[in-house]
Parts: sequence; structure tokens; C-alpha cells
Amino acid sequence: GAVVSQHPSWVICKSGTSVKIECRSLDFQATTMFWYRQFPKQSLMLMATSNEGSKATYEQGVEKDKFLINHASLTLSTLTVTSAHPEDSSFYICSARLPSGQGYNSPLHFGNGTRLTVT
Amino acid sequence: AQSVAQPEDQVNVAEGNPLTVKCTYSVSGNPYLFWYVQYPNRGLQFLLKYITGDNLVKGSYGFEAEFNKSQTSFHLKKPSALVSDSALYFCAVRGGGGADGLTFGKGTHLIIQP
Repeated sequence: GAVVSQHPSWVICKSGTSVKIECRSLDFQATTMFWYRQFPKQSLMLMATSNEGSKATYEQGVEKDKFLINHASLTLSTLTVTSAHPEDSSFYICSARLPSGQGYNSPLHFGNGTRLTVT
Repeated sequence: AQSVAQPEDQVNVAEGNPLTVKCTYSVSGNPYLFWYVQYPNRGLQFLLKYITGDNLVKGSYGFEAEFNKSQTSFHLKKPSALVSDSALYFCAVRGGGGADGLTFGKGTHLIIQP
């Protein structure tokens, strides 16, 4: 149980275009999802917290207009990288936590990540 | 602010030997500690967590971790390493102050040599 599906697993796009990444909780409802970015040989950096039905909370230094997050339903959050540039190339990973009723400190469940390459 | 330190970039262990991957943390309030494993080009898989209770926590794939409050450590251990344990391991903390997202360490590459 507690499966998080992320799509696509990899994408190559041209500089200046936008890319949408989807994160779905398949067998549970996730009121909160998290988006992380991972650079090669580095740790995960929390980009934003996505809350269903409200605006996402972005971490300091993350451009809100650059990385658009939408969490329109309890099972889907999307991250759109707008006007992508080569420096946006990275591995993006989403995660979701079981609803608070099932334990605030239940572990996060992660998608398999999306490898974005901007040419 | 909460933080996690994994002092070793890489740990090499011979197959069959015990392994330890080190982690220390800094957080205000009670710590909620996690270990995750990542295989190449994949997301993270949950291994184990410490919330409260026994200091020795047992998790998936034979891994365990020991919470040491005085040393603010949460080292990951396994009595007998397998080649298939080779992966990138992350220690993470969620602070007791209500911060929702996890703060990760930089990760430790574990290499098990046959």
C-alpha cells in the first residue's frame, strides 16, 4: 500500500518550453505532497509543500513563478517547470504523507522521480 | 533550524560483514528520524523510523538503527551485508516543532564488495 506514482520518469525538452510533472497517490488520499529536487551526487532539497485546495508553500530561494505547483485533488499534485533552462535540468521527486489520522509521523512515500533534461 | 549530517560520502564493506552508516542530527524538540534508500534513477524507499520508544529500531531488509539521544545520533546498521544492499542511503529528520517536510542528510554511498 501507500504507492506514489510519478510521471513522466524522464523528459527532454528545449530551452524556453514548459514541462509538467504529475504526482499521484494511488491508494490513499494525500492532503499534503512535497516536491524535492536532487542534484547529481547531492541530497534532496525541499522545493515546496503542496496542499490540496490551497496555494503551495515554497522554500526560500525557490521561484514560485518558475515552478508552478497545483494540488487540485486529494490524489494529484503537479509541478510545472515554466520557461525551462538548462540549469533546471535535475531529478525531481515528489512525495506524499498519509493523512494525519494515520499518523503525522508516518513516513513519506516517494515517487520514482523524473529526470528532466533541458537542451 | 533542523539539520542532518552524514559524515561519510562512501562506506565500503565486504559482503557478509556488519555495516554501519553514520548519521547525526540537530533539531529543536523531539526528533523524528528516518532512513531511506535510493537506487539509481529511482525515488526513495522507506527503511525505518524512530518516533519514540525503544532506542533500537528494526526496519526493512534486515536493517536496524540505534537512536542515541545524548550523542544525537541515529546510525544505520546491518549485521551481515549483502551485495544487493549497495545503494545511496539518506538519513532524515522531521522536527518536533511541526515542520512538515523532511530535512535530509547529503547521503552516503554504501558499496558492498563480493
